[in-house]
Amino acid sequence: DGGITQSPKYLFRKEGQNVTLSCEQNLNHDAMYWYRQDPGQGLRLIYYSQIVNDFQKGDIAEGYSVSREKKESFPLTVTSAQKNPTAFYLCASSRVDSYEQYFGPGTRLTVT
Amino acid sequence: AQSVSQHNHHVILSEAASLELGCNYSYGGTVNLFWYVQYPGQHLQLLLKYFSGDPLVKGIKGFEAEFIKSKFSFNLRKPSVQWSDTAEYFCAVNAPFVNSGYSTLTFGKGTMLLVSP
Repeated sequence: DGGITQSPKYLFRKEGQNVTLSCEQNLNHDAMYWYRQDPGQGLRLIYYSQIVNDFQKGDIAEGYSVSREKKESFPLTVTSAQKNPTAFYLCASSRVDSYEQYFGPGTRLTVT
Repeated sequence: AQSVSQHNHHVILSEAASLELGCNYSYGGTVNLFWYVQYPGQHLQLLLKYFSGDPLVKGIKGFEAEFIKSKFSFNLRKPSVQWSDTAEYFCAVNAPFVNSGYSTLTFGKGTMLLVSP
């Protein structure tokens, strides 16, 4: 089955620690995206990437970093500089010529 | 910057009631419009989309939406809701980035629909 996998489903970290969220897709999509979802806030774009080794900041990139070394993978690191890291994180992908995005199941990160 | 407004944060309906969820966007150029749905515990999934052509688009599970360009609106409708329609609904519009040439989606804040049996 083609799709997007995110792991783990739940993640707990202590304040001050960096944490990396995994996102893998086997849809052969060139573009990948990271969103943050908070109650009542909708989805806010953190980073996106159209091709390998290239990525762009979204609306709320501060405190986050990404890499795109492989087409299939787009990991997100939540750094200790992110002031409110507790949230639900969604990864998505799409063909470059399409605006339709496919979403993974998400990772719920709790930082205490 | 582009923005998307969803009029209601929470909607409560009884089964068989009609549904209309409002969505307005602020972008003057050509747009592509989407409604996504997030059922409890499930992935965010596409409900329907509008790229061009007939402004009345039909999606899955009996949903439809109408694009009214003059009103910058893309309201979601369903004639008769079911308990299984309980979910959060997100309107989204593509937001071309002039400088980079990339195009991303801007999402509204979502509307939580609760359908009581």
